[in-house]
Amino acid sequence: ELKVEQNPLFLSMQEGKNYTIYCNYSTTSDRLYWYRQDPGKSLESLFVLLSNGAVKQEGRLMASLDTKARLSTLHITAAVHDLSATYFCAVDAFTGNQFYFGTGTSLTVIP
Amino acid sequence: DAGITQSPRYKITETGRQVTLMCHQTWSHSYMFWYRQDLGHGLRLIYYSAAADITDKGEVPDGYVVSRSKTENFPLTLESATRSQTSVYFCASSYDTQYFGPGTRLTVL
Repeated sequence: ELKVEQNPLFLSMQEGKNYTIYCNYSTTSDRLYWYRQDPGKSLESLFVLLSNGAVKQEGRLMASLDTKARLSTLHITAAVHDLSATYFCAVDAFTGNQFYFGTGTSLTVIP
Repeated sequence: DAGITQSPRYKITETGRQVTLMCHQTWSHSYMFWYRQDLGHGLRLIYYSAAADITDKGEVPDGYVVSRSKTENFPLTLESATRSQTSVYFCASSYDTQYFGPGTRLTVL
């Protein structure tokens, strides 16, 4: 069974600081997705990474994919309070378009 | 409105009752999915469907039934609800990525 691990599970950081969330997965895949979820809300797609070395950036968030290391990172630059949310990575298992989700990283940005 | 909708948004039921959660998408996406989200477990796939009349089990299918007679609809039925099925249920459809509905918060008393 494909395993997807995120770390850290909880992250509290000050505004203006940088940090990285890591997503490791256990099987070969070159399709990795990042989502954001606000409390009580649904999941919102952030990034779609479809090949080794893919890098996508949106505002203060940048995601990258290293398929050889089976690792994706979500880098936060100069965090602001609005980025407080839970972030999930998901891996496409090539089986029926199924995604396997990490357990999420709960990010709190402190003013 | 275009997109993916779920109904009801909130549901309280009793143990042993049958409950159906509805999911409707307007994009004509082939693939649709049902997940449950619980603290400590993240999102777990219940069932998915590759097209109308094609469904398959996910990670946690026991106690659930799905059907897909039309591309746009993918209802999830709890045949005899149990307290362990108290959860938030998300429906999704996929094209380049999976797009999630707003969720249904189900409480089984």
